[in-house]
Formats: sequence, C-alpha cells, structure tokens
Amino acid sequence: KQEVTQIPAALSVPEGENLVLNCSFTDSAIYNLQWFRQDPGKGLTSLLLIQSSQREQTSGRLNASLDKSSGRSTLYIAASQPGDSATYLCAVFSGAGSYQLTFGKGTKLSVIP
Amino acid sequence: EPEVTQTPSHQVTQMGQEVILRCVPISNHLYFYWYRQILGQKVEFLVSFYNNEISEKSEIFDDQFSVERPDGSNFTLKIRSTKLEDSAMYFCASSDPITGQGYNQPQHFGDGTRLSIL
Repeated sequence: KQEVTQIPAALSVPEGENLVLNCSFTDSAIYNLQWFRQDPGKGLTSLLLIQSSQREQTSGRLNASLDKSSGRSTLYIAASQPGDSATYLCAVFSGAGSYQLTFGKGTKLSVIP
Repeated sequence: EPEVTQTPSHQVTQMGQEVILRCVPISNHLYFYWYRQILGQKVEFLVSFYNNEISEKSEIFDDQFSVERPDGSNFTLKIRSTKLEDSAMYFCASSDPITGQGYNQPQHFGDGTRLSIL
C-alpha cells in the first residue's frame, strides 16, 4: 500500500528566503506526482504535476523535482513571499487501474514579512 | 479558468440524517472523484466515477455512501445515515479523459464542503 510522507510538518522562514519542501513515497511504481497548495478552510489548488518520466517541472518561482527510483520529490520555492504561506501537499498517482491520489499530510509553511 | 464548484460550503446535520453534497465538475471532464479530509488528517480517497458507474472505491466508501450523476453537470455524494465520524471536509475533483498521455492528467479540486455532524 502506497504511503506518502512529508517532512517537515511545519516550516517558518523569513521573506525572501529560498526553501525546499520534501515528499517521499514508499512504492516507486507511480505515473505522476502532484503538488497542491491548501489555504486554511479552502480547497486544493494544483501547483505542478510531474510525470514519472520527468525529472523536473517548473512554474514561475516553483520547481518540483522527482527521483522516482528513490521515492522522493522536492518542491523548491524561490524568493518566498508572505502570500506563499499555506499548507503544501504532495500526492502520488499510481495508475495501473487505480484512479486515486494518495496524499501526504502536508507541510505548513509560514513566510514571515 | 474553469473550476470545480461545490455546494454548500458548510453543512450542519443531526446524526442519523441523510445528507447530499453537490458538485459541478469542469464541463469537459469525464472522471469524477470524492475525497475527504478529517480535521488534522490526510486527504483520503473515497470514490472515483466514470461513464456513469463507480470505477474504484476505498474501504471508507461503505453502504452508507452513494454517488450519482443525475444530469449532465452535477455529481453528488449521499451519506444515508450520518455518524459523528463523518464530520470532515469533503472535496470533489474532476479530470480530463484519459488520452494518449495515459494517466498524466491532473485532478482539479473544488473548495470543499465542511460537513459537521451534531
């Protein structure tokens, strides 16, 4: 059974700092990995989807990397801003007849002005 | 940008009552999903739906739960007799048809319905 872990659970950084959020998964047989942002009491906003054949995916100040063989992904946020404060979730899609995303518990990011 | 819409945003119900959560997926999407998130816990998969039938369901999705696509735009989750432990945020999601890219289509989520069982 796929398990997804995100470390750290919470992170507080000063504005302008570059930071890395980590995600690990136990079964490397995945089709893709999605990173989401969740604001308090809100839904999930898809940030990036990185396919199993890709190593990196970029969108603006965000860069996601994937090392499928070691079961790890990172989300790099450059020049952090207070508006980046949210919980960041990663979720893996294993495919092979299954349509579900398996989520980690998230990293709660606070960017201090 | 098209989005998934969920109503109501907050539902308060007495234990034992039936509740229906409603979702309008993105219009050209064909795969639909329900997930839930109990406060402080992970987002958990409940069910996926395609071509007017359930394609996959989790152990959580027992006989008390059902889904329906009553018309061309709505997708509903019904809980027949609610329990205290059904209190959670329920998310609807949808994704594009599986195309030549295989499974590499992102799932798009709504803002959720917070269900509170008293």
